[in-house]
Amino acid sequence: DGGITQSPKYLFRKEGQNVTLSCEQNLNHDAMYWYRQDPGQGLRLIYYSQIVNDFQKGDIAEGYSVSREKKESFPLTVTSAQKNPTAFYLCASSIGVETYGYTFGSGTRLTVV
Amino acid sequence: DQQVKQNSPSLSVQEGRISILNCDYTNSMFDYFLWYKKYPAEGPTFLISISSIKDKNEDGRFTVFLNKSAKHLSLHIVPSQPGDSAVYFCAASGTSYDKVIFGPGTSLSVIP
Repeated sequence: DGGITQSPKYLFRKEGQNVTLSCEQNLNHDAMYWYRQDPGQGLRLIYYSQIVNDFQKGDIAEGYSVSREKKESFPLTVTSAQKNPTAFYLCASSIGVETYGYTFGSGTRLTVV
Repeated sequence: DQQVKQNSPSLSVQEGRISILNCDYTNSMFDYFLWYKKYPAEGPTFLISISSIKDKNEDGRFTVFLNKSAKHLSLHIVPSQPGDSAVYFCAASGTSYDKVIFGPGTSLSVIP
């Protein structure tokens, strides 16, 4: 079955530590995205990638970093510079950025204590 | 400034009745609109979409209506079922955009 896998589902980290969230897809999609969900604010775009070795900042990229070394993988690092990292993080992919139907992963709940 | 607005954070409807979820947008360049459904602790799933060249799109119990002059769209669910209880996100994009803009979501509760 094709889809997007995010791991882990729940993640706890101490304040000041960097943490990397995994996102893998086997849909052969070119475009991948990271969103953050906070109560009452919907989904906000952190970073997106249209193709391997290329990525662009979204609306709230500060304190985050990404890489796209493989088509299938788009990991997100939450750095210690992110002021409020506790949130639900969603990874998505689409055939291309011109295609609007996104496939989402099941999300990672990050809690920083 | 939110380009896609869903002014009702929550909605409760009796099973079997119609659910109407509303969405407003500000950018006239948007020409493609989508609705996603999300259960707690899961990723959103695509529900239905509409292009700006249409004013209605229907898929089973779900119908989306688009009023371009008012920059307004709505999702109708008839009849509503308890399994429809979820958060519904309205989203928009356009040919000049390379990303989809999501609204804040409306939490629908269908009461048995």
